[in-house]
Amino acid sequence: GAGVSQSPRYKVAKRGQDVALRCDPISGHVSLFWYQQALGQGPEFLTYFQNEAQLDKSGLPSDRFFAERPEGSVSTLKIQRTQQEDSAVYLCASSLTGVAVQPQHFGDGTRLSIL
Amino acid sequence: AQKITQTQPGMFVQEKEAVTLDCTYDTSDPSYGLFWYKQPSSGEMIFLIYQGSYDQQNATEGRYSLNFQKARKSANLVISASQLGDSAMYFCAMRESSNSGYSTLTFGKGTMLLVSP
Repeated sequence: GAGVSQSPRYKVAKRGQDVALRCDPISGHVSLFWYQQALGQGPEFLTYFQNEAQLDKSGLPSDRFFAERPEGSVSTLKIQRTQQEDSAVYLCASSLTGVAVQPQHFGDGTRLSIL
Repeated sequence: AQKITQTQPGMFVQEKEAVTLDCTYDTSDPSYGLFWYKQPSSGEMIFLIYQGSYDQQNATEGRYSLNFQKARKSANLVISASQLGDSAMYFCAMRESSNSGYSTLTFGKGTMLLVSP
């Protein structure tokens, strides 16, 4: 596709349920990033992939968060045993490479609400 | 210390006027990139403009320009001839170089811009 695609657009889950968020990056983009954006805040880094390799997961808030990109294209962010504090917008971004000068292109995000 | 500071929680401007959104940054890295993104109420993050630390001239993209003052570590966004559709949240972000070969974006808290008729 022309841009980064994320699904679902909205997700409502009960506390304790597992959720999976999908990101389809721009074709050919090596780098893929996940960010978490709390209400009224700027996005915060969660994890980074270069092709299929997860090179940085320092931003994942707990071991309930898990991300994968098995074939170096589509990525899935999974949250197990969801808590209310997980409610946020989850943004995926891709860039051609990982270097500083490359802009990151974002998807529309998944708005996650935990009841 | 915060890496990106946006001191204006909200800004108001009348249609057709120019507006400046402030951004200061903190880094010791000589090579970095500064970005501005627009986030409408629908939630998508739209890339607006980029300024590299070694760029000699201020970046411009249509009605957007970046007032880059390296010594002051500021990268203010100037929107000329504001339009109603410019009403949105605006984020300044920085990407520093790293030995690992990749770098992530660090965002400010954003400025909400409201354009009135």
